[in-house]
Amino acid sequence: KNQVEQSPQSLIILEGKNCTLQCNYTVSPFSNLRWYKQDTGRGPVSLTIMTFSENTKSNGRYTATLDADTKQSSLHITASQLSDSASYICVVSYLGGYNKLIFGAGTRLAVHP
Amino acid sequence: DAGVTQSPTHLIKTRGQQVTLRCSPKSGHDTVSWYQQALGQGPQFIFQYYEEEERQRGNFPDRFSGHQFPNYSSELNVNALLLGDSALYLCASSLVPGKSGANVLTFGAGSRLTVL
Repeated sequence: KNQVEQSPQSLIILEGKNCTLQCNYTVSPFSNLRWYKQDTGRGPVSLTIMTFSENTKSNGRYTATLDADTKQSSLHITASQLSDSASYICVVSYLGGYNKLIFGAGTRLAVHP
Repeated sequence: DAGVTQSPTHLIKTRGQQVTLRCSPKSGHDTVSWYQQALGQGPQFIFQYYEEEERQRGNFPDRFSGHQFPNYSSELNVNALLLGDSALYLCASSLVPGKSGANVLTFGAGSRLTVL
C-alpha cells in the first residue's frame, strides 16, 4: 500500500534553533518527493521538489534530503523564525499516477520566542 | 499575477444539504485538482479536471462531483452532506501532464466547510 509517514507529529522549538523533520514512504514506483509548508487556514505552498536522482535541495533556510534506497526524506530548517510556525507536509508522487499524490499527515511546528 | 482563488472561504451547512465550491486556477494553468483535508490530516485527492472532463478520481463517493468550464475554472459539488464532510477543501492548479513544469501544483487558500 502506498503510504507516507511523517515524524514527529508535532514539534516545539525556540526561535533561532535548528530542527529536522522526517518522512518515510512506501510509494512505488517513485516519481518525485515534495515538501510543502501550510500555514493555518491556508493552502500548502511548495518548498522543494526532488526526483530520484537528487540527494539534496535547498530553498533558503530549508534543506531537503532524499535517500531513495531507504525511502526516507528529511527537511532541515536552519535558524528558525517565528514565521516558520506551520505544518510541513511531505508528498510523494508515483509514476503513472500523475497528480494522484500521496500526502503525509504533516508535522506541526511551533517556533516560540 | 493572481494565484489560485477559491470561494467561499467559509460556509456552514446542515446535514442533507448540497454545497458548491468554486475555484479559479492560476493564470496559464489548465488543470484543476480538488482535495479534501480533514482537521489534522493531509489532503486527500478527490478528482482532477482537464479539458472540461474528469480525468482521475480518488476514493470518494458519487456525492462528490465536479465541473470545469472553458475558462479552466472549476466547481466542486457535494450532495447529501454528512457530518464527516466537514473539512478544508483545497483546489490546486497545474499544467497538463507532459508540459514543462506540469509537476508544480499551486494551491488555493481553501474553502472551510462545516456541516452541522
